[in-house]
Amino acid sequence: GQQLNQSPQSMFIQEGEDVSMNCTSSSIFNTWLWYKQEPGEGPVLLIALYKAGELTSNGRLTAQFGITRKDSFLNISASIPSDVGIYFCAGHTGANSKLTFGKGITLSVRP
Amino acid sequence: DGGITQSPKYLFRKEGQNVTLSCEQNLNHDAMYWYRQDPGQGLRLIYYSQIVNDFQKGDIAEGYSVSREKKESFPLTVTSAQKNPTAFYLCASSIEGHRLTNTEAFFGQGTRLTVV
Repeated sequence: GQQLNQSPQSMFIQEGEDVSMNCTSSSIFNTWLWYKQEPGEGPVLLIALYKAGELTSNGRLTAQFGITRKDSFLNISASIPSDVGIYFCAGHTGANSKLTFGKGITLSVRP
Repeated sequence: DGGITQSPKYLFRKEGQNVTLSCEQNLNHDAMYWYRQDPGQGLRLIYYSQIVNDFQKGDIAEGYSVSREKKESFPLTVTSAQKNPTAFYLCASSIEGHRLTNTEAFFGQGTRLTVV
């Protein structure tokens, strides 16, 4: 089945730094979603992307739907301690396809 | 407020017992899903339902059962046949079950099941 690749598994940054994460696949996706999960909680939807090349922002977060439709990027600018969590990418490959998730990247922010 | 409610937050069960996890949504969503999360494994789909009275197996359905008698509710039963049931279980829902493209899934807060 389709797989979404996220690496590295963990990232460590200093407060105030920008960070970029990507999500790649060998399959073409029609929808890309980015979620954040805090410890002991369910994932929360951050940004949804529906069109190749689309660039969408949500506060300090910006995500892009790759032109090839096989990747997506999430950027966090001026990180703060509350950005800590696991960031998942997810996507649909087409009509009636199930939502596929990456394994997530755990972000740590040093004050 | 609209949302997805999972209960209980923490659940303990003795080995060999069945246990049922609750998931209720008041978002009027057609589709509901159950995922299992283990450290380093991401989210793995157990079962999903696109419409009332219908459900499909996901990638790791063995040892689990579900029902979808009402649009709002999608309970998951972890049976004694599940060999490694200790995990964090997440329920989700999305608007259109019959056409999953361009559909965002929204999650509950999860239930942590521990087998003792």
